[in-house]
Amino acid sequence: DGGITQSPKYLFRKEGQNVTLSCEQNLNHDAMYWYRQDPGQGLRLIYYSQIVNDFQKGDIAEGYSVSREKKESFPLTVTSAQKNPTAFYLCASSNLAEQYFGPGTRLTVT
Amino acid sequence: RKEVEQDPGPFNVPEGATVAFNCTYSNSASQSFFWYRQDCRKEPKLLMSVYSSGNEDGRFTAQLNRASQYISLLIRDSKLSDSATYLCVVNIAGKLTFGTGTRLTIIP
Repeated sequence: DGGITQSPKYLFRKEGQNVTLSCEQNLNHDAMYWYRQDPGQGLRLIYYSQIVNDFQKGDIAEGYSVSREKKESFPLTVTSAQKNPTAFYLCASSNLAEQYFGPGTRLTVT
Repeated sequence: RKEVEQDPGPFNVPEGATVAFNCTYSNSASQSFFWYRQDCRKEPKLLMSVYSSGNEDGRFTAQLNRASQYISLLIRDSKLSDSATYLCVVNIAGKLTFGTGTRLTIIP
């Protein structure tokens, strides 16, 4: 079964803790992306990677970090420096123009 | 001006009706265009790409007007299962920019 998996589906953390969200794909896509979605807003790009061992900041990278050590995996760390981390986080991958999304992780920080 | 603008709705439409909504984009260098569908609390799913000549997929028709910088989505014979938020997406220099979505509810 080809696809993108994100885990966990729901994640709760205390303020001040770093947390890492997982994203794995077996579609053999080169490019991977992280977005966040807040109520009433469009998806905003956090980081993206077009090839292994390389990644670029998106529009709202502050307070986040990523790594791309394997083609299949693109984990996102939400650090304590992120001012408003509570959101719906979506990972996507693509080979050409179209992007395909994982099921998302809802992060709540209190 | 936002890069991609959509009427947020909500649009409440009776089952079987035809519904259409537009999306405008500001960057004339935009290269490709898509409609995604997002159900409540789920991930966006690609509905269809939008080609310059217009394209149809079953009950769905997408059109692009480069001169006026808008794309449209038409849904014919709407079903209850069409209830969702429809996201307009524009590819600008390899990066996708998402509209905030148009919420559609089909009423029995």
